[in-house]
Amino acid sequence: KQEVTQIPAALSVPEGENLVLNCSFTDSAIYNLQWFRQDPGKGLTSLLLIQSSQREQTSGRLNASLDKSSGRSTLYIAASQPGDSATYLCAVEVWDTGNQFYFGTGTSLTVIP
Amino acid sequence: DTGVSQDPRHKITKRGQNVTFRCDPISEHNRLYWYRQTLGQGPEFLTYFQNEAQLEKSRLLSDRFSAERPKGSFSTLEIQRTEQGDSAMYLCASSLPPFRENEKLFFGSGTQLSVL
Repeated sequence: KQEVTQIPAALSVPEGENLVLNCSFTDSAIYNLQWFRQDPGKGLTSLLLIQSSQREQTSGRLNASLDKSSGRSTLYIAASQPGDSATYLCAVEVWDTGNQFYFGTGTSLTVIP
Repeated sequence: DTGVSQDPRHKITKRGQNVTFRCDPISEHNRLYWYRQTLGQGPEFLTYFQNEAQLEKSRLLSDRFSAERPKGSFSTLEIQRTEQGDSAMYLCASSLPPFRENEKLFFGSGTQLSVL
């Protein structure tokens, strides 16, 4: 069974700092990987989706990379802002007996003004 | 509003009661998922529909849980004889089929269930 791990579980940085969040998965047979943002008590918002054939995706200050062979992905956030404070989760889409998404437990990010 | 909509936002019930949640996916999305999330954890898969067909149900899911998606549009999730351990956020998500250009998973705001 696919297992997704995110390190660190929590991160606190001063405003303006660049940071990297890590995601690892145990089975490299994935369709794609997505990074999500979740604010307290809310649903998840998809930030970036990387297809299994791609190496990275960028959106604004966010850059996500994927190394499928090693089972790793990183989310790079440039010039962090207090509004970036949230929990960031990664998820891989696989084919089991149907399409399923397996989620990590997330990294809780706090950006200090 | 073209997002995923869930109702109710909050539900408080007594142990042993039945509850039903509703999800309205994005209209052109044929895939619909139900997840459960507890504090500090990632979403846990419950079940998955493609159009009106329920293709997968978590092996960990009790028989007290049932879901439907009549006509491949909205979906309902029912929990019978609720237990305190059922307290969680229930999330619905929808997406386009795989290998499409924009197959991101879109989530609703969730239904927070509290079983007293």
